[in-house]
Amino acid sequence: QKEVEQDPGPLSVPEGAIVSLNCTYSNSAFQYFMWYRQYSRKGPELLMYTYSSGNKEDGRFTAQVDKSSKYISLFIRDSQPSDSATYLCAMRTYSSASKIIFGSGTRLSIRP
Amino acid sequence: DAGVTQSPTHLIKTRGQHVTLRCSPISGHKSVSWYQQVLGQGPQFIFQYYEKEERGRGNFPDRFSARQFPNYSSELNVNALLLGDSALYLCASSLLTGDGVADTQYFGPGTRLTVL
Repeated sequence: QKEVEQDPGPLSVPEGAIVSLNCTYSNSAFQYFMWYRQYSRKGPELLMYTYSSGNKEDGRFTAQVDKSSKYISLFIRDSQPSDSATYLCAMRTYSSASKIIFGSGTRLSIRP
Repeated sequence: DAGVTQSPTHLIKTRGQHVTLRCSPISGHKSVSWYQQVLGQGPQFIFQYYEKEERGRGNFPDRFSARQFPNYSSELNVNALLLGDSALYLCASSLLTGDGVADTQYFGPGTRLTVL
């Protein structure tokens, strides 16, 4: 079993829709949770960074962490064609330095 | 400000050859990490270096090695290349080691290695 599971998609939604992306994980020691966006042939770009449980909002993006269920989500409101990319969830423990564990990524396409 | 830079952008090698990939971190960042991203997968952690010392190593064979220079730039070396080493190799830099600290990693554009 992988430490982090992420539905690979692809996910296609119309412009303006609310997008929900999710990951589950098995290691209860994970405390830092991140979402990265990766455009084709580019490096990952950090979107959201959350410590422990709770919600965090930044513009059209909301990240949720439910540690009791080992489940994290990213919501994108008013989705735009420019949001079309692969979204990677990632997480790490308190003490494991930079060893970030990534999900396999969800490919998202926003239809104009 | 310049972000993380990597060279070369693309590289084609044959099995058994050796390759060296290079990374320059964001100015002021002392930590560099290397990741391998196979097509359709998320990045996998290979190494972290901080202040020229190895601070973390992922589950990769000894054919993979790295080092960090006094100016905090870094090299990743892979010996005896295999077909399975074909991937996007990503470098990420951060201010600190990340030990117990909310320390953001910034990724470069990657080097795409193809092994024939």
